[in-house]
Amino acid sequence: AQSVTQPDIHITVSEGASLELRCNYSYGATPYLFWYVQSPGQGLQLLLKYFSGDTLVQGIKGFEAEFKRSQSSFNLRKPSVHWSDAAEYFCAVGAGNNDMRFGAGTRLTVKP
Amino acid sequence: KAGVTQTPRYLIKTRGQQVTLSCSPISGHRSVSWYQQTPGQGLQFLFEYFSETQRNKGNFPGRFSGRQFSNSRSEMNVSTLELGDSALYLCASHHVVADDREDLPQHFGDGTRLSIL
Repeated sequence: AQSVTQPDIHITVSEGASLELRCNYSYGATPYLFWYVQSPGQGLQLLLKYFSGDTLVQGIKGFEAEFKRSQSSFNLRKPSVHWSDAAEYFCAVGAGNNDMRFGAGTRLTVKP
Repeated sequence: KAGVTQTPRYLIKTRGQQVTLSCSPISGHRSVSWYQQTPGQGLQFLFEYFSETQRNKGNFPGRFSGRQFSNSRSEMNVSTLELGDSALYLCASHHVVADDREDLPQHFGDGTRLSIL
């Protein structure tokens, strides 16, 4: 079965600085990979997804992620963080049969 | 297109009671999944319904149950509530095409915040 690891529970960055959130997955075949963001009291909003093709995927709100098969990683990046990006971020891996597994999440704090 | 709608948004119950939560998926989505989210355990998969049948099930006790109606709306029920059931319950839907090919990703509602006193 697939699994997801987000090594960083909490990350703090300054506004305007770059951001990288790490995600490692375990899955035997080519996975479907996703990043979601959750603001307090809200549900999960999809930022971006990877199914196949170009390994660098663009998402909403200026986020991008790169799939690296050799490292089993799907790290999320943003060149310049805004205060409104403070939230919790979840990486998820899905198999073809709708068996989605989520990481434990990384809480992002943005310093002014 | 309207998103996933969950009702109620907030609920307060006492131990031993039961509760029913409702989820209306995005129009055309036939798969509905339920998750429990707590600070200690994170996001945990409860179960998934497709075409009125439970298709997948997580590792939760039998007190947690669900059903899906012919219009794809889903309900989940928790009986004999315990303090540890306090959580945000999230519903997610996704489209399944005619040949049963899954059309991920899942789209989430804003959840029902359940507090047990």
